[in-house]
Parts: sequence; structure tokens; C-alpha cells
Amino acid sequence: GAVVSQHPSWVICKSGTSVKIECRSLDFQATTMFWYRQFPKQSLMLMATSNEGSKATYEQGVEKDKFLINHASLTLSTLTVTSAHPEDSSFYICSARETTGTDTQYFGPGTRLTVL
Amino acid sequence: DAKTTQPPSMDCAEGRAANLPCNHSTISGNEYVYWYRQIHSQGPQYIIHGLKNNETNEMASLIITEDRKSSTLILPHATLRDTAVYYCIVRVNKGGGADGLTFGKGTHLIIQP
Repeated sequence: GAVVSQHPSWVICKSGTSVKIECRSLDFQATTMFWYRQFPKQSLMLMATSNEGSKATYEQGVEKDKFLINHASLTLSTLTVTSAHPEDSSFYICSARETTGTDTQYFGPGTRLTVL
Repeated sequence: DAKTTQPPSMDCAEGRAANLPCNHSTISGNEYVYWYRQIHSQGPQYIIHGLKNNETNEMASLIITEDRKSSTLILPHATLRDTAVYYCIVRVNKGGGADGLTFGKGTHLIIQP
């Protein structure tokens, strides 16, 4: 149980294009999902909190117009990196929080984004 | 959330028990101790969590000191696949709301054959 998937697992794109990453909770509903970013040899950094049916909450320093988040259902959140640049190349990881109240977050396998 | 302190790296022989310490001396009474691990190029994997009692599941055991200022994650029979970065995170367990997790640098556990 408590499986979270991400798609795609890796993506290479040209500078200036947009990339959408999907995060799905496969066997549980998640009113809250989170998006993290991890640069090489660094720890995960929280980017934003995605709430089903409402606007996402972004961490300080994360541009909301650049990283568009949509959480349209209890099992799906999407992160769109708009006008991607090489400095956006990173490992993007989502997590989903169970709504049963245990507050345990389960993570997806991550998406490796490379912007050329 | 309370800050945690972990050793940056540890070695353990395959088949032996791996004991990973974590200090959280400023933990509050309503904060839980969570452990995750991250194998290279993968998303973090939930291991176990606890409040004050010792906990055990199919992956590991969590020993929390009586004053709750430190804890130890025990992998009873380490295998090469347990090589990963282990994160100890302390946070309030909120039933109605939630915050993202704050990851420190963790402990890089290397299992030696």
C-alpha cells in the first residue's frame, strides 16, 4: 500500500520549453501533496504544498509563475516547469500525505529534468 | 519542527545490525520522530515513526530514549541494498493539516560486503 508514482521518470527538454510532471497516489487519496527539488549532492528542498481544489502554497524563493501546480483530484497533482532553463535541471520529487490522519508522507520515485 | 543531528556517515558490515543515531534535544511533547531513507537517484522511502514508545515493523526498529532527546534506528540484519542516506525528521503529527518535511543532511550508511 501507499504507493506514489511519478511520470515521466526522466525528461530532457530545450531551454524555453515547458515540462509537465505528474504525481499520482495509486492506492490512497491525498488531499495534500508536496513538491520537492533536489540538486546533486544536496538534500531535498520543499518547493510547494499542493492542496486538492485550492491554490498551491509556495516556499519562499520559489516562483509560483514558473512552477505551476495543479491538484485537480484526490489522486493527482501536476507540476509544470514553464520556460525551463538549464538552472532548472534537477531531481523533482513529489510526496502524498495520507488523509487517514497518520500524517505519513509517501514519496514518488522522482523525475530527473535536464534542460539543454 | 525540532532540529535533528545525525552523523554524516557510517559503515556497517553486511549481516550485522546497523544502528543509526539521531539527536533531537529540542523536541516538543507533541512531535513525532520519523525516519526515511533515500537510495541513490530514488525518492525517499518511509521507514518508521514513533512518539515515545519503541516501534518495530518489517523494516526496522526505532528506539526512543525516555527523555525523547535522542533515538536510534536499527536495521537488524543489514544488506547491501540498505546502503542509502537515512534521514531523521522530527515533526508534529497533524491530523487535519500538514506541512512539508524539512530534510537535513542525513547519515550516509554504507554496508560493506
